[in-house]
Amino acid sequence: DIQMTQSPSSLSASVGDRVTITCRASQDIRNELGWYQQKPGKAPKRLIYAASSLQTGVPSRFSGSGSGTDFTLTISSLQPEDFATYYCLQHNGYPRTFGQGTKVQIK
Amino acid sequence: QVQLQESGPGLVRPSGTLSLTCAVSGGSFSSTNWWSWVRQPPGKGLEWIGEIYHSGSTNCNPSLKSRITMSVDKSKNQFSLELSSVTAADTAVYYCARGYQVLLGYYGLDVWGQGTTVTVSS
Repeated sequence: DIQMTQSPSSLSASVGDRVTITCRASQDIRNELGWYQQKPGKAPKRLIYAASSLQTGVPSRFSGSGSGTDFTLTISSLQPEDFATYYCLQHNGYPRTFGQGTKVQIK
Repeated sequence: QVQLQESGPGLVRPSGTLSLTCAVSGGSFSSTNWWSWVRQPPGKGLEWIGEIYHSGSTNCNPSLKSRITMSVDKSKNQFSLELSSVTAADTAVYYCARGYQVLLGYYGLDVWGQGTTVTVSS
């Protein structure tokens, strides 16, 4: 299995802060990775696909980068509605695997 | 706009079989996409269960493979999951999702159902 190591597991930040979340794959997954946002009681919502492409309708303050084994999700200016848990998901190999999640909390 | 909706019993007895269905609306079920299942135990992260193509081809998580059966019903635009010999560890919110695939490649899970909670308890 491809292991996805996500960090940090949680972070506290203020509105307006720049936030960075990383995922590291245990092997080369090219750009076959997506980033998801999940709010309590809701289904995950995809923000980024193909590592760096913004899903239609997602605000431009979200961006993704990386290729191979190291990937980053950046929120350029954190907004109140961005407090949530974020996951990466690789689809380079089977089984598909998620990162452990990063909970973004209000400082 | 494709929409997915899970349905099935909210309570399953231990050692029984969990059965869920996902109805696909707003798009062609028999397209090039893969149809997936993901679950999330209470307070924990997401786990990929498996996926099925409209032809019936499947890919499953090896950790669950011996207990999983997936099927499609093209006449009803829906696909289903059965998980046998359930225990309390199978208690989770179960999501169905679309794995978007076009000629140029596969692009991951883009559309999700709202999820359905399944509790395994006697």
